[in-house]
Amino acid sequence: AQRVTQPEKLLSVFKGAPVELKCNYSYSGSPELFWYVQYSRQRLQLLLRHISRESIKGFTADLNKGETSFHLKKPFAQEEDSAMYYCALKNAGNMLTFGGGTRLMVKP
Amino acid sequence: EPEVTQTPSHQVTQMGQEVILRCVPISNHLYFYWYRQILGQKVEFLVSFYNNEISEKSEIFDDQFSVERPDGSNFTLKIRSTKLEDSAMYFCAGRDSSSYEQYFGPGTRLTVT
Repeated sequence: AQRVTQPEKLLSVFKGAPVELKCNYSYSGSPELFWYVQYSRQRLQLLLRHISRESIKGFTADLNKGETSFHLKKPFAQEEDSAMYYCALKNAGNMLTFGGGTRLMVKP
Repeated sequence: EPEVTQTPSHQVTQMGQEVILRCVPISNHLYFYWYRQILGQKVEFLVSFYNNEISEKSEIFDDQFSVERPDGSNFTLKIRSTKLEDSAMYFCAGRDSSSYEQYFGPGTRLTVT
Protein backbone atom coordinates (compact mmCIF):
# COMPACT_ATOMS: atom_id res chain seq x y z
CA ALA A 1 0.00 0.00 0.00
CA GLN A 2 1.20 3.49 -0.71
CA ARG A 3 1.19 6.17 1.92
CA VAL A 4 2.25 9.81 2.21
CA THR A 5 2.92 11.49 5.51
CA GLN A 6 3.27 15.19 6.17
CA PRO A 7 4.12 15.46 9.87
CA GLU A 8 3.38 19.17 10.28
CA LYS A 9 -0.18 20.44 9.98
CA LEU A 10 0.98 24.03 10.40
CA LEU A 11 4.26 25.76 9.72
CA SER A 12 4.62 29.42 10.59
CA VAL A 13 7.67 31.43 9.54
CA PHE A 14 8.61 35.06 9.11
CA LYS A 15 9.09 36.60 5.69
CA GLY A 16 12.61 35.99 4.45
CA ALA A 17 13.16 32.92 6.59
CA PRO A 18 13.94 29.52 5.05
CA VAL A 19 11.10 27.04 4.73
CA GLU A 20 11.11 23.27 4.68
CA LEU A 21 7.87 21.33 4.42
CA LYS A 22 8.41 17.68 5.18
CA CYS A 23 7.04 14.75 3.24
CA ASN A 24 7.72 11.06 3.70
CA TYR A 25 6.30 8.25 1.64
CA SER A 26 6.05 4.50 1.46
CA TYR A 27 5.66 2.74 -1.86
CA SER A 28 6.87 -0.61 -3.10
CA GLY A 29 7.48 0.54 -6.67
CA SER A 30 9.47 3.36 -8.20
CA PRO A 31 7.92 6.50 -6.70
CA GLU A 32 6.75 9.50 -8.64
CA LEU A 33 6.16 12.43 -6.32
CA PHE A 34 4.53 15.81 -6.59
CA TRP A 35 3.84 18.89 -4.55
CA TYR A 36 0.43 20.51 -4.99
CA VAL A 37 -0.49 23.90 -3.57
CA GLN A 38 -3.86 25.41 -2.72
CA TYR A 39 -3.93 29.18 -2.18
CA SER A 40 -6.81 30.70 -0.27
CA ARG A 41 -10.10 30.25 -2.17
CA GLN A 42 -8.34 28.71 -5.15
CA ARG A 43 -8.17 25.21 -6.54
CA LEU A 44 -5.47 22.63 -6.06
CA GLN A 45 -2.68 23.16 -8.56
CA LEU A 46 0.55 21.40 -9.31
CA LEU A 47 3.62 23.14 -7.90
CA LEU A 48 6.35 20.76 -8.93
CA ARG A 49 7.21 17.20 -9.84
CA HIS A 50 10.32 15.37 -8.71
CA ILE A 51 11.24 14.10 -12.17
CA SER A 52 11.39 17.62 -13.56
CA ARG A 53 14.01 18.69 -11.01
CA GLU A 54 12.94 22.27 -11.54
CA SER A 55 12.47 25.24 -9.28
CA ILE A 56 9.02 26.82 -9.26
CA LYS A 57 8.42 30.11 -7.43
CA GLY A 58 11.75 29.51 -5.69
CA PHE A 59 10.67 26.12 -4.34
CA THR A 60 12.68 22.95 -4.87
CA ALA A 61 12.21 19.38 -3.73
CA ASP A 62 14.64 16.50 -3.90
CA LEU A 63 13.62 12.89 -3.83
CA ASN A 64 15.68 10.96 -1.28
CA LYS A 65 14.97 7.29 -1.82
CA GLY A 66 17.15 6.24 1.11
CA GLU A 67 15.11 8.31 3.53
CA THR A 68 11.89 7.94 1.49
CA SER A 69 11.45 11.68 1.65
CA PHE A 70 10.50 14.48 -0.71
CA HIS A 71 10.80 17.65 1.35
CA LEU A 72 9.86 21.00 -0.16
CA LYS A 73 12.27 23.86 0.43
CA LYS A 74 12.56 27.55 -0.21
CA PRO A 75 15.47 29.65 1.02
CA PHE A 76 13.52 32.88 1.57
CA ALA A 77 9.78 32.70 2.22
CA GLN A 78 7.44 35.37 0.87
CA GLU A 79 4.02 36.35 2.23
CA GLU A 80 2.40 35.17 -1.01
CA ASP A 81 3.69 31.66 -0.31
CA SER A 82 1.07 31.30 2.44
CA ALA A 83 -1.11 28.37 1.38
CA MET A 84 -1.88 24.69 1.94
CA TYR A 85 0.77 22.41 0.54
CA TYR A 86 0.09 18.77 -0.28
CA CYS A 87 2.65 16.13 -1.10
CA ALA A 88 1.30 13.42 -3.42
CA LEU A 89 2.49 10.07 -4.73
CA LYS A 90 1.36 8.76 -8.10
CA ASN A 91 0.93 5.07 -8.77
CA ALA A 92 1.29 3.38 -12.15
CA GLY A 93 -2.35 4.10 -12.93
CA ASN A 94 -2.07 7.82 -12.23
CA MET A 95 -3.98 7.62 -8.98
CA LEU A 96 -2.67 10.24 -6.56
CA THR A 97 -2.25 9.50 -2.87
CA PHE A 98 -2.08 12.72 -0.90
CA GLY A 99 -0.52 13.56 2.41
CA GLY A 100 -2.56 15.36 5.02
CA GLY A 101 -1.28 18.76 3.97
CA THR A 102 0.74 21.46 5.71
CA ARG A 103 -0.56 24.97 6.12
CA LEU A 104 2.27 27.42 5.58
CA MET A 105 1.84 30.85 7.12
CA VAL A 106 4.40 33.47 6.25
CA LYS A 107 4.23 36.40 8.64
CA PRO A 108 5.39 39.87 7.67
CA GLU B 1 -6.73 29.57 -19.88
CA PRO B 2 -9.32 26.75 -19.80
CA GLU B 3 -10.32 25.45 -16.39
CA VAL B 4 -12.21 22.51 -14.95
CA THR B 5 -15.60 23.61 -13.64
CA GLN B 6 -17.84 21.90 -11.11
CA THR B 7 -21.49 22.40 -10.21
CA PRO B 8 -23.00 23.03 -7.80
CA SER B 9 -20.47 24.68 -5.55
CA HIS B 10 -22.46 23.56 -2.51
CA GLN B 11 -25.09 20.84 -2.30
CA VAL B 12 -27.16 20.12 0.78
CA THR B 13 -29.15 16.90 0.80
CA GLN B 14 -30.95 14.67 3.24
CA MET B 15 -29.62 11.27 4.20
CA GLY B 16 -30.87 8.59 1.81
CA GLN B 17 -31.30 10.96 -1.13
CA GLU B 18 -29.47 10.61 -4.43
CA VAL B 19 -27.07 13.33 -5.52
CA ILE B 20 -25.30 13.98 -8.79
CA LEU B 21 -22.18 16.09 -8.81
CA ARG B 22 -21.20 17.54 -12.14
CA CYS B 23 -17.86 18.38 -13.68
CA VAL B 24 -16.95 19.88 -17.02
CA PRO B 25 -13.37 18.90 -17.79
CA ILE B 26 -11.01 20.76 -20.08
CA SER B 27 -11.98 19.87 -23.65
CA ASN B 28 -8.85 17.97 -24.72
CA HIS B 29 -8.61 15.93 -21.54
CA LEU B 30 -9.17 12.19 -21.81
CA TYR B 31 -8.53 10.92 -18.29
CA PHE B 32 -10.83 11.92 -15.46
CA TYR B 33 -10.75 11.53 -11.72
CA TRP B 34 -12.86 12.11 -8.63
CA TYR B 35 -11.33 12.77 -5.23
CA ARG B 36 -12.94 13.73 -1.96
CA GLN B 37 -11.79 15.48 1.19
CA ILE B 38 -13.70 15.08 4.41
CA LEU B 39 -13.27 18.16 6.59
CA GLY B 40 -9.93 18.04 8.37
CA GLN B 41 -8.79 14.93 6.56
CA LYS B 42 -6.71 14.01 3.53
CA VAL B 43 -7.69 14.32 -0.09
CA GLU B 44 -8.65 10.76 -1.07
CA PHE B 45 -8.83 9.16 -4.49
CA LEU B 46 -12.21 7.75 -5.44
CA VAL B 47 -12.10 6.71 -9.09
CA SER B 48 -10.39 7.21 -12.43
CA PHE B 49 -12.19 7.04 -15.78
CA TYR B 50 -10.93 6.65 -19.33
CA ASN B 51 -12.57 5.73 -22.60
CA ASN B 52 -15.97 5.47 -20.91
CA GLU B 53 -14.77 2.94 -18.39
CA ILE B 54 -13.57 2.97 -14.84
CA SER B 55 -9.79 2.44 -14.85
CA GLU B 56 -9.22 2.25 -11.14
CA LYS B 57 -11.26 2.74 -8.00
CA SER B 58 -10.58 2.90 -4.31
CA GLU B 59 -12.32 0.93 -1.58
CA ILE B 60 -14.32 4.06 -0.80
CA PHE B 61 -15.98 3.80 -4.22
CA ASP B 62 -18.55 1.15 -3.35
CA ASP B 63 -21.85 0.25 -5.03
CA GLN B 64 -23.42 3.49 -3.85
CA PHE B 65 -21.15 5.43 -6.21
CA SER B 66 -21.18 5.59 -9.98
CA VAL B 67 -19.60 7.75 -12.64
CA GLU B 68 -20.44 8.47 -16.22
CA ARG B 69 -19.74 10.81 -19.07
CA PRO B 70 -23.23 11.01 -20.54
CA ASP B 71 -22.72 13.51 -23.32
CA GLY B 72 -19.00 13.65 -24.02
CA SER B 73 -18.52 16.80 -22.01
CA ASN B 74 -19.94 16.43 -18.51
CA PHE B 75 -18.39 13.96 -16.11
CA THR B 76 -20.69 13.07 -13.24
CA LEU B 77 -20.42 11.39 -9.88
CA LYS B 78 -23.63 9.92 -8.51
CA ILE B 79 -24.19 8.83 -4.95
CA ARG B 80 -27.33 6.70 -4.85
CA SER B 81 -28.31 6.89 -1.20
CA THR B 82 -26.28 9.44 0.70
CA LYS B 83 -25.03 8.85 4.22
CA LEU B 84 -23.90 11.39 6.78
CA GLU B 85 -20.31 10.29 6.27
CA ASP B 86 -20.48 11.25 2.58
CA SER B 87 -20.32 14.88 3.64
CA ALA B 88 -17.10 16.15 2.09
CA MET B 89 -15.56 18.32 -0.60
CA TYR B 90 -15.58 16.46 -3.92
CA PHE B 91 -12.96 17.36 -6.51
CA CYS B 92 -12.97 16.48 -10.15
CA ALA B 93 -9.68 16.36 -12.07
CA GLY B 94 -8.59 15.64 -15.60
CA ARG B 95 -5.51 15.31 -17.73
CA ASP B 96 -4.63 14.85 -21.35
CA SER B 97 -2.84 11.87 -22.84
CA SER B 98 0.58 13.48 -22.99
CA SER B 99 0.81 14.93 -19.49
CA TYR B 100 1.12 13.60 -15.96
CA GLU B 101 -0.43 16.76 -14.54
CA GLN B 102 -3.97 16.52 -13.22
CA TYR B 103 -5.98 19.74 -13.38
CA PHE B 104 -8.42 20.10 -10.55
CA GLY B 105 -11.81 21.73 -10.35
CA PRO B 106 -12.79 24.06 -7.52
CA GLY B 107 -14.76 21.35 -5.77
CA THR B 108 -18.35 20.76 -4.68
CA ARG B 109 -19.08 20.84 -0.99
CA LEU B 110 -21.63 18.13 -0.20
CA THR B 111 -23.45 18.36 3.11
CA VAL B 112 -25.66 15.42 4.11
CA THR B 113 -28.09 16.14 6.92
